[in-house]
Amino acid sequence: KAGVTQTPRYLIKTRGQQVTLSCSPISGHRSVSWYQQTPGQGLQFLFEYFSETQRNKGNFPGRFSGRQFSNSRSEMNVSTLELGDSALYLCASSLGTSGGSYNEQFFGPGTRLTVL
Amino acid sequence: QQPVQSPQAVILREGEDAVINCSSSKALYSVHWYRQKHGEAPVFLMILLKGGEQKGHEKISASFNEKKQQSSLYLTASQLSYSGTYFCGTSSGAGSYQLTFGKGTKLSVIP
Repeated sequence: KAGVTQTPRYLIKTRGQQVTLSCSPISGHRSVSWYQQTPGQGLQFLFEYFSETQRNKGNFPGRFSGRQFSNSRSEMNVSTLELGDSALYLCASSLGTSGGSYNEQFFGPGTRLTVL
Repeated sequence: QQPVQSPQAVILREGEDAVINCSSSKALYSVHWYRQKHGEAPVFLMILLKGGEQKGHEKISASFNEKKQQSSLYLTASQLSYSGTYFCGTSSGAGSYQLTFGKGTKLSVIP
């Protein structure tokens, strides 16, 4: 079974630009979660999607948004990039069925975003 | 609130044991444990549920103290491959699909 894939793997942008990251979950998984990982804050939850609906959202500004398509693939968008947005962005897929917190998450390799 | 992990870092010699703790100020429904090696994605180790149910790798053991809102991960007879950063992620309810992760515990196993 293919794992979680994320594209692109590396990205360099300048302040004020916007960026879109993509995540393809494991086949059969309907839940996709996004995390921001930085050395200082660790893994921080951004949002979670299931069947094209956002079920949970973390404490990030509205510049961070996402969506999920009918094939469960998900995209994350960050508008008006700031220097502090430089981070590794990880997505994780899971079955997402009832008792969601009992489903293990499978992480992708991440997208390394650098904002100059 | 982010769960608090302790210790922040630990160095072990092969064969030694270690315990990593995860504490939360909120009532917990489940605790997830993941290990991340440098430059790689986090990998699932174990889930512990309120009520005692758990699932995960056979060689990994963990506990969940519901009264104290604490979980501990036990690494016995450590191997070089155990090196990495261990994260606990917590959720507050069965209907919650959000995991809040601690800042991690860096474990280094040396020969």
